[in-house]
Amino acid sequence: QSALTQPASVSESPGQSVTIPCTGTSSDFGPYNYVSWYQLHPGKAPKLMIFDVYKRPSGVSNRFSGSKSGNTASLTISGLQAEDEAYYFCSSYATTYTYVFGTGTKVTVL
Amino acid sequence: QVQLVQSGAEVKNPGASVKVSCKTSGNTFTTYHMHWVRQAPGQGPEWMGIIYPSGRTQYTQKFQGRVTFTRDTSTSTVYMDLSSLRSEDTAIYYCAREPASSMEGQFSFDYWGQGSLVTVSS
Repeated sequence: QSALTQPASVSESPGQSVTIPCTGTSSDFGPYNYVSWYQLHPGKAPKLMIFDVYKRPSGVSNRFSGSKSGNTASLTISGLQAEDEAYYFCSSYATTYTYVFGTGTKVTVL
Repeated sequence: QVQLVQSGAEVKNPGASVKVSCKTSGNTFTTYHMHWVRQAPGQGPEWMGIIYPSGRTQYTQKFQGRVTFTRDTSTSTVYMDLSSLRSEDTAIYYCAREPASSMEGQFSFDYWGQGSLVTVSS
């Protein structure tokens, strides 16, 4: 199982939106919708932002949204803020004991 | 407040072993599945395996025979032991919690430790 593909970096101005794609194959996603997204600031613990493709944990801003079409899942950050500058990675559970992660994307707020 | 507190950075020689700890809080130890994930420099995260509250383990094939997950009930701590270290094992190692079956969010990792840097170098 190889990694899910994400762009290495994306950048946008404050207040704008960015969308991060997470692309794999049908075997990477399986028949399920168990895609999750994580935010990582340097030196801190990763934080769950989205699970089950589009669901937000309690406390996560509604500026973060998730979707999936075919073999590509996406994370959209609306109304970019300076604090959103971080590394983001996706994860998929495709089949028994198979968790695949994305290559990760650095989001820069210009 | 959920906390997963990991042990500090380690520097090891090639061929040695390393043991990383992850101390849990609340009902995490008795209720949730615990995973280990690593991230090597410049790469995306990589799943290593899972340990259940029962103590049952499952490892990804890449690490079979070289990794062991254990748990200490008296301290609510889970451990990851990786042997025969090589330079490619240099990475940040994370423990991560997964909600159990019938809980919302199963198959995602709702809390993570802060990471433990393991450097393998002669």
